[in-house]
Amino acid sequence: KAGVTQTPRYLIKTRGQQVTLSCSPISGHRSVSWYQQTPGQGLQFLFEYFSETQRNKGNFPGRFSGRQFSNSRSEMNVSTLELGDSALYLCASSLEGSNQPQHFGDGTRLSIL
Amino acid sequence: DQQVKQNSPSLSVQEGRISILNCDYTNSMFDYFLWYKKYPAEGPTFLISISSIKDKNEDGRFTVFLNKSAKHLSLHIVPSQPGDSAVYFCAGFKNTGNQFYFGTGTSLTVIP
Repeated sequence: KAGVTQTPRYLIKTRGQQVTLSCSPISGHRSVSWYQQTPGQGLQFLFEYFSETQRNKGNFPGRFSGRQFSNSRSEMNVSTLELGDSALYLCASSLEGSNQPQHFGDGTRLSIL
Repeated sequence: DQQVKQNSPSLSVQEGRISILNCDYTNSMFDYFLWYKKYPAEGPTFLISISSIKDKNEDGRFTVFLNKSAKHLSLHIVPSQPGDSAVYFCAGFKNTGNQFYFGTGTSLTVIP
């Protein structure tokens, strides 16, 4: 069974640009969550999608947005990139969400120059 | 507001000894706690969980203890092995919020 796939693995952008990250969940999983990991901050929750609807949202500015498609694949978009957006972005999926353990992808390492 | 805290950024333990990783939380409304392990360049993988109505859960070499009065949980690894060297994250989950709250992680090094 294929795991959670995130593309691309690495990305370099400059300030002011925008970026789109992609996540393909495990087949059959309908809940997809996104996290930002930075040194000393742990995993900060961005948002969760379930059946194409944003069900939950963390405390991030509106520059961070996402969407989920009918096949449960999800994309995350960050506009007007700032230096502080440099981080590892992780996607996690689970069957129904709720308290089920999430399965994580290997992340996209975003570097802002 | 960091609702789940891991105050030890790193821990070193000799192979064969016990590793104890600690986690504190501020929100008494968590229904469920989990531990994840993360190797470099990989995503976190689920290790073990515990319901807030339990005080202990065991799975092989891994045991999680929950002390609700102290709002503290710990992960015990016995015996520790070099392959256990990784970053460990604890997380709390609230059924009402449908969101996981992660700690900042503890880097465990098991010395052969």
